[in-house]
Amino acid sequence: KAGVTQTPRYLIKTRGQQVTLSCSPISGHRSVSWYQQTPGQGLQFLFEYFSETQRNKGNFPGRFSGRQFSNSRSEMNVSTLELGDSALYLCASSLSTLRDTQYFGPGTRLTVL
Amino acid sequence: KNEVEQSPQNLTAQEGEFITINCSYSVGISALHWLQQHPGGGIVSLFMLSSGKKKHGRLIATINIQEKHSSLHITASHPRDSAVYICAVEGASGSRLTFGEGTQLTVNP
Repeated sequence: KAGVTQTPRYLIKTRGQQVTLSCSPISGHRSVSWYQQTPGQGLQFLFEYFSETQRNKGNFPGRFSGRQFSNSRSEMNVSTLELGDSALYLCASSLSTLRDTQYFGPGTRLTVL
Repeated sequence: KNEVEQSPQNLTAQEGEFITINCSYSVGISALHWLQQHPGGGIVSLFMLSSGKKKHGRLIATINIQEKHSSLHITASHPRDSAVYICAVEGASGSRLTFGEGTQLTVNP
């Protein structure tokens, strides 16, 4: 089975722009979670989607949003980018819940200038 | 105080040594995960525990729910074990994962 894929792998944006990141889960997995990793804050949970519905959400501002499509692929969007949004964005898929083994993608490295 | 604390933050060992990484948490949880992150960012899920002990190869993970503590042990450590090990707890309602800051392990040959 193919693993979790994320596109793009690297991205450079400027402050004020918006960005959309994509995540394709392992075939058959219905839960997709997104995480932000920075040197200062470590890994933080952004949100989780299951069957096209946001099931859980972390403590991030409304500039961070996401969605999931009927084929379980997910996108996350960050609007009005700030310098502090520079991070590695990881998605993970699992069969149905956070309790199931999480399979992580390679991440998207976002740099905001 | 962070909800999830790991110790030590950094650990250097010689090949073959027995290694222990600790994770303490302050909230009620439904499960605890141990993750491994190699340079370059790739994360692998090692264990998910809700009680007791699990073993996979040279890795052993234990959890004591009453004491809110988990340990990850590596027996006969090898340089390829060098990575960041991250503990994550799943809230009591199963609503999110909260991560520790990670333990950087370096195993020298």
